[in-house]
Amino acid sequence: SQQGEEDPQALSIQEGENATMNCSYKTSINNLQWYRQNSGRGLVHLILIRSNEREKHSGRLRVTLDTSKKSSSLLITASRAADTASYFCAPNFGNEKLTFGTGTRLTIIP
Amino acid sequence: DVKVTQSSRYLVKRTGEKVFLECVQDMDHENMFWYRQDPGLGLRLIYFSYDVKMKEKGDIPEGYSVSREKKERFSLILESASTNQTSMYLCATLPSLAANYEQYFGPGTRLTVT
Repeated sequence: SQQGEEDPQALSIQEGENATMNCSYKTSINNLQWYRQNSGRGLVHLILIRSNEREKHSGRLRVTLDTSKKSSSLLITASRAADTASYFCAPNFGNEKLTFGTGTRLTIIP
Repeated sequence: DVKVTQSSRYLVKRTGEKVFLECVQDMDHENMFWYRQDPGLGLRLIYFSYDVKMKEKGDIPEGYSVSREKKERFSLILESASTNQTSMYLCATLPSLAANYEQYFGPGTRLTVT
């Protein structure tokens, strides 16, 4: 399978702490994307990192990419209750398709 | 902002019924996708379309068909609904087949087949 696999499957942290989620994949990518899904809703794109980039920031989000290890991580700093959601990584292998894993369910405890 | 709408948030149908799920986008995107999402299985691609009247099967097309008569509208059809098609259905669009673009998702339709 070419899908990304997120780890951990579930994560609970206190509000204000940082949350780190990881993604692994098996073959060379063109880019890797992270999405968020609030309960029962559609996915929202968070950030796209290209294969020649190593780190990217967007507000409280930081994404790293290590193509030698075929892995990526998403860091959310200073977490808030509104960050409670499922997070998905989606590797792009150079075509129009994205493949999604089962996600990391993040719960922020107020 | 891109807007992707789906005809229903919740839908309940009976086994054997023909079901139409509609997706409409307002940003002139070439590509449209239908996924289903099930617990423990993530999102799986059913069909996608890269132009009007053009379609390609995804990973799980069995039991489904699609229609794209106009650029802005992509319909998913369940010819004879079955209970194993109870799921969350998500539509998405993509502006270009070129690399380094994000997909835009609709709010989803939760379909229950009884």
